[in-house]
Order: sequence, then C-alpha cells, then structure tokens
Amino acid sequence: ETGVTQSPTHLIKTRGQQVTLRCSSQSGHNTVSWYQQALGQGPQFIFQYYREEENGRGNFPPRFSGLQFPNYSSELNVNALELDDSALYLCASSPGTGGINTQYFGPGTRLTVL
Amino acid sequence: GENVEQHPSTLSVQEGDSAVIKCTYSDSASNYFPWYKQELGKRPQLIIDIRSNVGEKKDQRIAVTLNKTAKHFSLHITETQPEDSAVYFCAAGDNTNAGKSTFGDGTTLTVKP
Repeated sequence: ETGVTQSPTHLIKTRGQQVTLRCSSQSGHNTVSWYQQALGQGPQFIFQYYREEENGRGNFPPRFSGLQFPNYSSELNVNALELDDSALYLCASSPGTGGINTQYFGPGTRLTVL
Repeated sequence: GENVEQHPSTLSVQEGDSAVIKCTYSDSASNYFPWYKQELGKRPQLIIDIRSNVGEKKDQRIAVTLNKTAKHFSLHITETQPEDSAVYFCAAGDNTNAGKSTFGDGTTLTVKP
C-alpha cells in the first residue's frame, strides 16, 4: 500500500458551491498531480505541482485551482461547481521531475454534485 | 496534445487463457508507457511500464510490447487468474515526468473461473 492519502473520501455538494480536496504525498515525493476520473473513463490530467509551483495544466477551466505546501501536500479547489464535476478525484505523487520516475496514486475523493 | 485510444473496452476470458489489451497514441514525443490496474473502489496501481528505448518488457505473467513506428503498445497477461479481474488503463507520457500522462478509457477484464 502506498503512502499517498486523500481527504475526504466522499463529498456531496450542490451546484454553484465551492469545494477543497486534500492530498498528502508519499514521503520523499515533491511532485503532486491531480486527475479527474469520470465514471467509466480513464483519469484526466488536471494539473501538477512541483516544489509549490504549478508545473503543467490539462484542459480544465480556471475554476479548477490548486496549491502545494512546503511539506509537498496539496489542495485542489473547484469553484462554481457544475453537475459534470461529479467524479472521482485522484492525486498522485512522484519523486520529482527529471530522470525516470513513476507516480503513486491516492485512494481518491468521490465528489457528487447535485 | 496526446490522445490515447484503448481496445477492447471489455474483455472476458477463461481462467488460464491469455488476455491482450491494445493502445494507440498520437504524440510521437511520448516515450513512457505505463499500465495501471484498478480494482473496484480502489486506486490505480502501476503494474508495468516501458520506456521507448526498449520494445518489450516482461514481469512474470505480464508483458508489454511497444511499436514506436506504429505508435501502439500492448499488454499481455498469460495464465490469467480470477484475481486479474479489474479495469486496466494504459497511458502515454514523458519518462521524465510520469505525472502528466494521458490515459486511455480502460478495459474491464473479467476472468471466469
């Protein structure tokens, strides 16, 4: 079992609300990536944080934003929630950019938007 | 950007048979091709990966092949067991930054005892 943790495990929100999801990276990992996994689909890359800076972004609107803290944990914030935001949100940590590395996923946060 | 297509979407085999899942990608710059297994309600877990400087990699019952010219790669599972039943995802990306990979839509593998 990997050391990546996420909270909360489940969340129910209504359309228009805002949500914050949290991720603690595996010890020694300074890179965190966030993915959205809709039902029946593969994970879609939202963005990545490396040493507290955004390091790449997928095709997601600005209402998806994030942070990374000095201990390399990370937050995903979603404003003005829409019904289509209902999904499993996964974070993954990796040892860092440069060189060959692999990523390890957390258990995910299941977000339901009503 | 990168686009990854995965086939088939569902695959059912008898225990002991082989299973093959195929993926194609569009970006010739991609050089890292991981495969993940996701059991129901659990996190994706890396089962094998291949870099573009090799054409094949094997780990016990699992093997991956890569054809860079044709831009496709495949997962082969031999002597399947019921515990191999899961959703399998392929992905393509940069071998210096696995965290930006583009994923396929998954293959649901069912191994019948």
